[in-house]
Amino acid sequence: NAGVTQTPKFRILKIGQSMTLQCTQDMNHNYMYWYRQDPGMGLKLIYYSVGAGITDKGEVPNGYNVSRSTTEDFPLRLELAAPSQTSVYFCASSDRQGTEAFFGQGTRLTVV
Amino acid sequence: AQSVAQPEDQVNVAEGNPLTVKCTYSVSGNPYLFWYVQYPNRGLQFLLKYITGDNLVKGSYGFEAEFNKSQTSFHLKKPSALVSDSALYFCAVRTLTGANNLFFGTGTRLTVIP
Repeated sequence: NAGVTQTPKFRILKIGQSMTLQCTQDMNHNYMYWYRQDPGMGLKLIYYSVGAGITDKGEVPNGYNVSRSTTEDFPLRLELAAPSQTSVYFCASSDRQGTEAFFGQGTRLTVV
Repeated sequence: AQSVAQPEDQVNVAEGNPLTVKCTYSVSGNPYLFWYVQYPNRGLQFLLKYITGDNLVKGSYGFEAEFNKSQTSFHLKKPSALVSDSALYFCAVRTLTGANNLFFGTGTRLTVIP
């Protein structure tokens, strides 16, 4: 049971490049989330999903897109990378509202 | 609107002493409250939660937290700190209504001094 798996762990992008951060979970959780963590700012919700085919914006969605074609996978897409997107990104999942979320190990992204 | 405040960026405590990490929240409706811990270069790990019932909840690694509705607080405590407890601690809140978001505080860095 791997839990929540994120790839890659580290990535450097040039301004204007695009990439997809992968997230998969093997716990059959309906809810999945993407957060970004900036120093001294806590975690900010980017997008979330309450089930396959259903996604919605969080607090800071600009510059990102998501899809949820299966229960297991919830990729995060950056189309035109900007320096402001330099951050650590965490994917998480939970089985229903009110239960704890399980987090991946994070992806450290630097945009130069 | 939901929000979580962790008023202390840094807490230092001597090994063996009790520790407290503070958290206050603001929500409409009944809160679900959580504490998570983050070790360097790792994801967040769940410590404990309050959903309903007894105001004192016990969690992993000897941590506990007390829910105080009148003060809208959910402080994390441990009777005797260990050096290995040194980490970044996050308080989080979710409500039953509205979007299924988990809102986090800005984190408190706990340093336990040997």
